[in-house]
Amino acid sequence: EIVLTQSPATLSLSPGERATLSCRASQSVSSYLAWYKQKPGQAPRLLIYEASNRATGIPARFSGSGSGTDFTLTISSLEPEDFAVYYCQQRSNWPLTFGGGTKVEIK
Amino acid sequence: QLQLQESGPGLVKPSETLSLTCTVSGGSISSSNYYWGWIRQPPGKGLEWIGNIYYSGNTYYNPSLKSRVTISVDTSKNQFSLKLSSVTAADTAVFYCASDPVFAFDIWGHGTMVTVSS
Repeated sequence: EIVLTQSPATLSLSPGERATLSCRASQSVSSYLAWYKQKPGQAPRLLIYEASNRATGIPARFSGSGSGTDFTLTISSLEPEDFAVYYCQQRSNWPLTFGGGTKVEIK
Repeated sequence: QLQLQESGPGLVKPSETLSLTCTVSGGSISSSNYYWGWIRQPPGKGLEWIGNIYYSGNTYYNPSLKSRVTISVDTSKNQFSLKLSSVTAADTAVFYCASDPVFAFDIWGHGTMVTVSS
């Protein structure tokens, strides 16, 4: 099973700042990595798939990068609605696995 | 526009079987190259993948749940279902169904809370 480790667990930032979230895989997942955003009481929403492709309707301030075992989600300038929990998920091997999440909170 | 909606009992007794259904609208569950998946989230915790079913009927399960899980498809109703047997309090969670066109879970249902308690 591929283990995904997200860091940091919590990121405290102000609106307008840049957020950099990390996801590290225990073995290579090539580019088969997705990122999701989840707000309290809501279902997760797909942001990025195959490491760097924005899903439909996702603003350009969200970008993904990386391949192999190290991946990054960057939010270039935080909007109020971006404060949420972010999860990565690998789609390379069965079983599918999720990272533990990074909470982006208002500083 | 594809939409998914979970349905099923919100309360299940310990040792019984949890049964949920996901109704797909705005598209066919028989679409080629589509998986349909179940994911759960215990209160205050992260996401856990339960399993996927391919449009052809092939199933893929989380090894930690495999002995208790069955996912099936009913193409006549455009639905897919989850059965989780021998439940305990540790199975209390919000259960989500989602579509997976191979690359990620792109469309999610709103989720349904299932509590295991006597």
